Amino acid sequence: DAKTTQPTSMDCAEGRAANLPCNHSTISGNEYVYWYRQIHSQGPQYIIHGLKNNETNEMASLIITEDRKSSTLILPHATLRDTAVYYCIVRVRGNAGNMLTFGGGTRLMVKP
Amino acid sequence: NAGVTQTPKFQVLKTGQSMTLQCAQDMNHEYMSWYRQDPGMGLRLIHYSVGAGITDQGEVPNGYNVSRSTTEDFPLRLLSAAPSQTSVYFCASSFGVGNEQYFGPGTRLTVT
Repeated sequence: DAKTTQPTSMDCAEGRAANLPCNHSTISGNEYVYWYRQIHSQGPQYIIHGLKNNETNEMASLIITEDRKSSTLILPHATLRDTAVYYCIVRVRGNAGNMLTFGGGTRLMVKP
Repeated sequence: NAGVTQTPKFQVLKTGQSMTLQCAQDMNHEYMSWYRQDPGMGLRLIHYSVGAGITDQGEVPNGYNVSRSTTEDFPLRLLSAAPSQTSVYFCASSFGVGNEQYFGPGTRLTVT
């Protein structure tokens, strides 16, 4: 699976959009971009995934650049409950044995 | 749906004791897996199962056994607990192999 690079930490004001970047310059054509988050002491939570088109769901939007070498997770109206570590992972869908490799992630702090 | 449930939430063991961590899901997911997360670290895959009766080893399988007699349940057995197994254990499941995973709340295990 391709390696990803994320900033160690970010701050965001409550109610504003949080834009979390991820670089994955060695991504292969069949690798998807996944985002998970982990709120303190809880199990990781799936947020969204995409291959090359931008995606949106009730939690977030995922913007993938045309060359697929980077992406941005957008939380449109961050709340205090969005404070968590956010993990960007690229992997082949359907790959059983080499499951989710969680790197350092970005620690997002949403402030009042 | 209860999603993925894990019991117990907390456990303290003495070195050499054995125990079973329970994991169950009610989403009819084929794929289930066990991870451990050490302080300040990402998740590491212990064992996984692609369906009832089928299990395989992940990245750190030593000292752990699993079985999958039903689709719903995937228990993790510690054969002879060691202090190095002090960690938080997460169980996860997904509809298809390698797809987005849903995590349980975790079991915090301390081995003294």
